[in-house]
Amino acid sequence: DQQVKQNSPSLSVQEGRISILNCDYTNSMFDYFLWYKKYPAEGPTFLISISSIKDKNEDGRFTVFLNKSAKHLSLHIVPSQPGDSAVYFCAASARQGAQKLVFGQGTRLTINP
Amino acid sequence: NAGVMQNPRHLVRRRGQEARLRCSPMKGHSHVYWYRQLPEEGLKFMVYLQKENIIDESGMPKERFSAEFPKEGPSILRIQQVVRGDSAAYFCASSPRADGVGEQYFGPGTRLTVT
Repeated sequence: DQQVKQNSPSLSVQEGRISILNCDYTNSMFDYFLWYKKYPAEGPTFLISISSIKDKNEDGRFTVFLNKSAKHLSLHIVPSQPGDSAVYFCAASARQGAQKLVFGQGTRLTINP
Repeated sequence: NAGVMQNPRHLVRRRGQEARLRCSPMKGHSHVYWYRQLPEEGLKFMVYLQKENIIDESGMPKERFSAEFPKEGPSILRIQQVVRGDSAAYFCASSPRADGVGEQYFGPGTRLTVT
């Protein structure tokens, strides 16, 4: 049972344009959401997070939007840069019980010059 | 402040051998998590430990896998009698927070290959 889903395995965006990565979840107990970026042969790097009490969090070029009613979140990167090319993972956790992160399958983002 | 350290980075074992993966959390972090990533998949939670305690091992296979985080020294993920299906990247993460919310910081991973 995939509780966190990233339905787009890959996304290609032109440099300077906006990249939008999407993530859906099914478990209503999730109340904290995170985005990680991963380069090949490296560990995931934390990018940005959002608590369920908010609907938007911004950090520089990165903005995460949360729609709790739709159980959907998205990561916006603007403007996109070549160094943003990587695999992006959405993750979720629940305050109650274990602190484990549940990850989506990832979206491979390619920024074209 | 050094990040999460994992060693070895690459480990090759023959079927039936034991694999030991080590993880040193970031300084000041007392919460350690282990995740496994199979090819072309997301990371899957295995176990959550605090010093000398296993808090949640719901993601650990019932047999052959064990984990510890002793009072002194790194956390160890141990896989006995490895099989080809154990080939994966194993990531360790650490966190300073005790309230169940917050970022986890990942190490570079150990890539285990079982031949």
